Amino acid sequence: AQSVTQPDIHITVSEGASLELRCNYSYGATPYLFWYVQSPGQGLQLLLKYFSGDTLVQGIKGFEAEFKRSQSSFNLRKPSVHWSDAAEYFCAVGAYGNKLVFGAGTILRVKS
Amino acid sequence: DAGVIQSPRHEVTEMGQEVTLRCKPISGHNSLFWYRQTMMRGLELLIYFNNNVPIDDSGMPEDRFSAKMPNASFSTLKIQPSEPRDSAVYFCASSLDVGAGNTIYFGEGSWLTVV
Repeated sequence: AQSVTQPDIHITVSEGASLELRCNYSYGATPYLFWYVQSPGQGLQLLLKYFSGDTLVQGIKGFEAEFKRSQSSFNLRKPSVHWSDAAEYFCAVGAYGNKLVFGAGTILRVKS
Repeated sequence: DAGVIQSPRHEVTEMGQEVTLRCKPISGHNSLFWYRQTMMRGLELLIYFNNNVPIDDSGMPEDRFSAKMPNASFSTLKIQPSEPRDSAVYFCASSLDVGAGNTIYFGEGSWLTVV
């Protein structure tokens, strides 16, 4: 069965610093991978997705993610974090029938 | 274009009462999903529909939960009777089709508190 692991429950970074959020997946076939962001009291917004092709994917708000098949990873990165990036980030793998399986989420705190 | 629309946004109800959550998917989307988010269990898929037909309801916790999609632009999730452990955020989401590569768009959620 497919699963997603986000090893970090909380991460705190300084504004302007770089960010990397980790995601590891387990899936038997070619994975469809997603990163969503959830601001407090809001729904989930898609940041980026990987289906095939170039393993470095660009998303909205300056985020990017790199798919590494050998490591079963899809880590999210941003070169310079802004205070408005504080939110919870979810990695997900698309399974049969478009059933997304989500990780537990990583809460990002940004300190000024 | 309007996104996925959910109502009510917030509901507080007493244990034993019936709760109905409503969802309007994005126009033209054929697949609709109901997710539940709690602190303990994270985001869980409850049920999903394709072309108004329930495809997989294995995530529905028990018989107190039911979901319907009478037409392409409307779905309901009903809890009867409600219990305090049903308190959660319920998200409706939609996608163009059921293929694994289709992007799923989420509504802003219905925040349910059962007291």
